[in-house]
Amino acid sequence: NAGVTQTPKFRILKIGQSMTLQCTQDMNHNYMYWYRQDPGMGLKLIYYSVGAGITDKGEVPNGYNVSRSTTEDFPLRLELAAPSQTSVYFCASTLAGPGELFFGEGSRLTVL
Amino acid sequence: DAKTTQPPSMDCAEGRAANLPCNHSTISGNEYVYWYRQIHSQGPQYIIHGLKNNETNEMASLIITEDRKSSTLILPHATLRDTAVYYCTNSGGSTLGRLYFGRGTQLTVWP
Repeated sequence: NAGVTQTPKFRILKIGQSMTLQCTQDMNHNYMYWYRQDPGMGLKLIYYSVGAGITDKGEVPNGYNVSRSTTEDFPLRLELAAPSQTSVYFCASTLAGPGELFFGEGSRLTVL
Repeated sequence: DAKTTQPPSMDCAEGRAANLPCNHSTISGNEYVYWYRQIHSQGPQYIIHGLKNNETNEMASLIITEDRKSSTLILPHATLRDTAVYYCTNSGGSTLGRLYFGRGTQLTVWP
């Protein structure tokens, strides 16, 4: 099993551009999450999903959108990128909450 | 939000036990306490979790006070590879698996 896979690992965006961070898991987990981590800080929850077709906002959803069309995939969309979205983004999954979260290796995004 | 308080940094000699405290005085009765660690900028790694009773696995032990307002993560024989940021978290009352992460404790293990 590959676990949780995130792409890309690194990306530089210009202000106003859009992009999608990809996240896929091969563990048949129902619950998936997107977190962001700013330098020296803990992780903040952006969005989460408890199954295909179901998503909900976390602590810091503004400027982001998600979809969950399959159990495996949970992409995070950034519209109109802003410097404040410069961060490391982590995707995570678990079979059912609460439980052990499995994290991806992160996607480092810089907005200039 | 789930509120946890941890010291910002600690250090420990290699081979000695590392005891990392966490205060979670607002935790509700059915919430689990979870511990994760993050090495450099990698994705956080699950260590252990517990509700009321003390727990032990191959990585660590978790001691939860009887009133559940605090807990201690114990790494019995710390190694240099245990140098990491350690997060004490809980779900804030949610059953949806969401976890709230503070700034954690930077543990440095020295030779």
